[in-house]
Amino acid sequence: EPEVTQTPSHQVTQMGQEVILRCVPISNHLYFYWYRQILGQKVEFLVSFYNNEISEKSEIFDDQFSVERPDGSNFTLKIRSTKLEDSAMYFCASSVRTGRSERNQPQHFGDGTRLSIL
Amino acid sequence: QKEVEQDPGPLSVPEGAIVSLNCTYSNSAFQYFMWYRQYSRKGPELLMYTYSSGNKEDGRFTAQVDKSSKYISLFIRDSQPSDSATYLCAMSLRDTGNQFYFGTGTSLTVIP
Repeated sequence: EPEVTQTPSHQVTQMGQEVILRCVPISNHLYFYWYRQILGQKVEFLVSFYNNEISEKSEIFDDQFSVERPDGSNFTLKIRSTKLEDSAMYFCASSVRTGRSERNQPQHFGDGTRLSIL
Repeated sequence: QKEVEQDPGPLSVPEGAIVSLNCTYSNSAFQYFMWYRQYSRKGPELLMYTYSSGNKEDGRFTAQVDKSSKYISLFIRDSQPSDSATYLCAMSLRDTGNQFYFGTGTSLTVIP
């Protein structure tokens, strides 16, 4: 069964450094998402991306964050200057585009990248 | 307000028991409802999704939605030790492309 893959599984970075988290969504999916989960807290939406542009973003997704689809298969999340509070699990998800007559297609998640800021 | 509330547990049941997991929400605009299972150090794995009130069954799992009460449930019949995981409810406002709102997750342990 196709799956969303994320690399690396664990990233350790010094505070203030830039970090790039990588994701390969399911190949026939057209919507891509990033979520994060701080230890012991809810999974929180960061951003959704469709047709090479952001379609929706949360208050968490400030100017320190950016997303990119650099080629036909990868989807990346960049944090420009990391802070201690950015330490979390970051999940990538993807979903299939639906037409007007179709019901919602749910999002499929990768196993996440654990980001530790020192 | 788009709050989703879920009892974090932990919930511990004997093998073979029927498990009931629940979420409540405050925003009546939510249209789509999902249940995910999350094993330790893994991502959320989709179990069930539905877009209407009523029941939806898939094997040992039944998802129930009551939009009038803003309440959703997941029932697991004949629970197995392999069902031990955290169960997350999620919901969204409209069709594909928009954010999911998650509950905190309920930790379930099925004791052999």
